[in-house]
Amino acid sequence: GENVEQHPSTLSVQEGDSAVIKCTYSDSASNYFPWYKQELGKGPQLIIDIRSNVGEKKDQRIAVTLNKTAKHFSLHITETQPEDSAVYFCAAVDSSYKLIFGSGTRLLVRP
Amino acid sequence: DSGVTQTPKHLITATGQRVTLRCSPRSGDLSVYWYQQSLDQGLQFLIHYYNGEERAKGNILERFSAQQFPDLHSELNLSSLELGDSALYFCASSVDGSGLTNYGYTFGSGTRLTVV
Repeated sequence: GENVEQHPSTLSVQEGDSAVIKCTYSDSASNYFPWYKQELGKGPQLIIDIRSNVGEKKDQRIAVTLNKTAKHFSLHITETQPEDSAVYFCAAVDSSYKLIFGSGTRLLVRP
Repeated sequence: DSGVTQTPKHLITATGQRVTLRCSPRSGDLSVYWYQQSLDQGLQFLIHYYNGEERAKGNILERFSAQQFPDLHSELNLSSLELGDSALYFCASSVDGSGLTNYGYTFGSGTRLTVV
């Protein structure tokens, strides 16, 4: 079945710097890759997603890139702000259409 | 408010007991997914229901069961509870069975279960 690995587990950046979180997946048939942000005490919230027919997608300060050949995808956050501090999860859809999540990255943006 | 409602928000119970967690999906969503999140752990898939039928099962313990009712709300039943069952339990919903709609899954705010 699908396996998703996520790195790093924790990431600390200075406000205004960029943050990059990387994920790899195992099932070459996977074609949908969402990213979720989870704030303390809340459920995960979808922040951006990418489908396999696209290499990059941007939404303001957030971008996701996908390399299907290497089976990895990354989340890029530019000009980080303290409110970006949260746990971020990548995910990939498996053959039965359920999302398999990475282990999460705890991002801390220092003011 | 995501539109997915989970109740109760918090639950404290003793080992050996049975509890029921409830999830109401977003209006119009036919699929409900249950995930377990233990302390500092990722989201582990438990089970998926689509329009009342079970679609997929993850590593769900035999002590756990779920169902989706005609009004599309879902319940996750956890029995013979153990200390290790303490976790956040999330449900998510999507319009169809693939979860690949414009907005993917929408998660509720979770039920925090503490087994003492």
